[in-house]
Amino acid sequence: AQKVTQAQTEISVVEKEDVTLDCVYETRDTTYYLFWYKQPPSGELVFLIRRNSFDEQNEISGRYSWNFQKSTSSFNFTITASQVVDSAVYFCALSVQTTGANNLFFGTGTRLTVIP
Amino acid sequence: EAQVTQNPRYLITVTGKKLTVTCSQNMNHEYMSWYRQDPGLGLRQIYYSMNVEVTDKGDVPEGYKVSRKEKRNFPLILESPSPNQTSLYFCASSLSSRDAPYEQYFGPGTRLTVT
Repeated sequence: AQKVTQAQTEISVVEKEDVTLDCVYETRDTTYYLFWYKQPPSGELVFLIRRNSFDEQNEISGRYSWNFQKSTSSFNFTITASQVVDSAVYFCALSVQTTGANNLFFGTGTRLTVIP
Repeated sequence: EAQVTQNPRYLITVTGKKLTVTCSQNMNHEYMSWYRQDPGLGLRQIYYSMNVEVTDKGDVPEGYKVSRKEKRNFPLILESPSPNQTSLYFCASSLSSRDAPYEQYFGPGTRLTVT
């Protein structure tokens, strides 16, 4: 069975602080994919990133960076110099090849509030 | 504009009254899916479809039906809604692959309340 744990239910930071959102996953599949989605207050879901299990390189996109570590089954997301527009619920998700690579298993989400 | 549309966006109904939430995409995607979002539970998959006339259960299919008669449409049917189906529903679509997932595009959501 697949499982995604986002232990941080809510986080508040002051603008310009860095913040890391944790994601721990469980799967017995050797081929899997990890995702982050953002859900701003308007409610839509915005795709941020996809990684596959064979690519452990960290990725940076502007103020966003992702740290994938297979040894700890974690795929953490860091926002550098946070801004008010980063306030949202962030979901980590997992898909595995054996049950259909498009079928996403979501974590429970982390609500990030950036205080001006 | 590439998009996934859902209708209605908001719906209040009573127990037992059949309803349909429509989902349509204009990107010629093979794969479509329905999720429900509940506080503290994240999003959970209800049903998905790999292509026309091909549907399968997700994690929480009880009480729901779907059909995929056309590539662009994937309606969600609640034949006898109950209060525990009060939730926020999202439709999603993407290109299809069993081997590697493509980015999924989500609709704006439908907030359903069953009294």
